[in-house]
Amino acid sequence: GAVVSQHPSWVICKSGTSVKIECRSLDFQATTMFWYRQFPKQSLMLMATSNEGSKATYEQGVEKDKFLINHASLTLSTLTVTSAHPEDSSFYICSARDPQTYEQYFGPGTRLTVT
Amino acid sequence: SQQGEEDPQALSIQEGENATMNCSYKTSINNLQWYRQNSGRGLVHLILIRSNEREKHSGRLRVTLDTSKKSSSLLITASRAADTASYFCATDAGIYNQGGKLIFGQGTELSVKP
Repeated sequence: GAVVSQHPSWVICKSGTSVKIECRSLDFQATTMFWYRQFPKQSLMLMATSNEGSKATYEQGVEKDKFLINHASLTLSTLTVTSAHPEDSSFYICSARDPQTYEQYFGPGTRLTVT
Repeated sequence: SQQGEEDPQALSIQEGENATMNCSYKTSINNLQWYRQNSGRGLVHLILIRSNEREKHSGRLRVTLDTSKKSSSLLITASRAADTASYFCATDAGIYNQGGKLIFGQGTELSVKP
């Protein structure tokens, strides 16, 4: 089946630094990818829609200057958490939408811990 | 924003029993999807049911969709300890050929005891 990878799988960083998370679609070209955030014992909250070749669309309440999204190719989207703070510690999950079937495939997630 | 509500929030059953989880949503949808998530892991896609479908099966899974009530249910038959996980419904309300963003329900935490 379709595979979406994320890198790194976990990262620990100091407060004030920036962290980049990569999301790759391995089996199909994804013009659209999505970034979600999940806090412990909670559901996934959509952060933004990443569109290849254009600006990302952010959900209400998500700071676009803090969570930078770049969808540089049909198989890669990156999320950069800038000036990270401890409250940004979370599980970040990306997904890629198969343009043929419209099904979404999720990456394994990246656990970010900001100290 | 969260669209879906799921119940129950937690469900504990014995191995071999059936597990039923329900999901309700608020707006019109293109499709509804069910996912499983093991603790601290990524999501596994289970079933996608389109708005013009009423029922779908996959192995031990049965999903129903009632668009008039804006609700869906996931039935896992003959449950196994390995089915222990969180289950989420997610709705896709985007315009055809666009959209695709999923809005997730709050999830049901299923525990299957051996």
